[in-house]
Amino acid sequence: AQSVTQPDIHITVSEGASLELRCNYSYGATPYLFWYVQSPGQGLQLLLKYFSGDTLVQGIKGFEAEFKRSQSSFNLRKPSVHWSDAAEYFCAVGADMGSGYSTLTFGKGTMLLVSP
Amino acid sequence: DGGITQSPKYLFRKEGQNVTLSCEQNLNHDAMYWYRQDPGQGLRLIYYSQIVNDFQKGDIAEGYSVSREKKESFPLTVTSAQKNPTAFYLCASSSPGQGVYGYTFGSGTRLTVV
Repeated sequence: AQSVTQPDIHITVSEGASLELRCNYSYGATPYLFWYVQSPGQGLQLLLKYFSGDTLVQGIKGFEAEFKRSQSSFNLRKPSVHWSDAAEYFCAVGADMGSGYSTLTFGKGTMLLVSP
Repeated sequence: DGGITQSPKYLFRKEGQNVTLSCEQNLNHDAMYWYRQDPGQGLRLIYYSQIVNDFQKGDIAEGYSVSREKKESFPLTVTSAQKNPTAFYLCASSSPGQGVYGYTFGSGTRLTVV
């Protein structure tokens, strides 16, 4: 069975500083990997995804992530954080059920706090 | 605009009562999912359905039931057998191909059982 570990429960970053959120996964085959963001009391919004190909993927809101198979990691980065980026971030791995469907397994999330 | 609608946003129920959470989508997606979210626990899969009149248990299906009579609708019933039902419930959908690229989520229902 697949699993996802997000080692950091909370991270505080100064506005304008760079950000890296860590994600490690466990999956027996080539993984489908995702990063989602959630504002309080809201649903999840997809930031970016990795399916195949280039291991550095670009997403919305200036985020990017790099897939490193040797380290089973898919860390999320942003060069300059804005106060509006404060939210909870979830990494997820997809297990292919066939027919183009997958079930997603989520990490426990990392809460990002942005200080002035 | 296409999307997923979950209603109500907040729901209060007395212990021992069954309660049904609504999830409707107009994205023409085939697959739908229910997740439960607890603080510090991430999201855990309750049930999912790939086609009408068919659904499968996820990791934490005990105490829950679902139906899929229409492609657009996937209601979740939290039964009195669910020992700790207070949580935030999220519904999602996907289509073939898009499913391996991620889900579209609703805005959630916060259920509080008193």
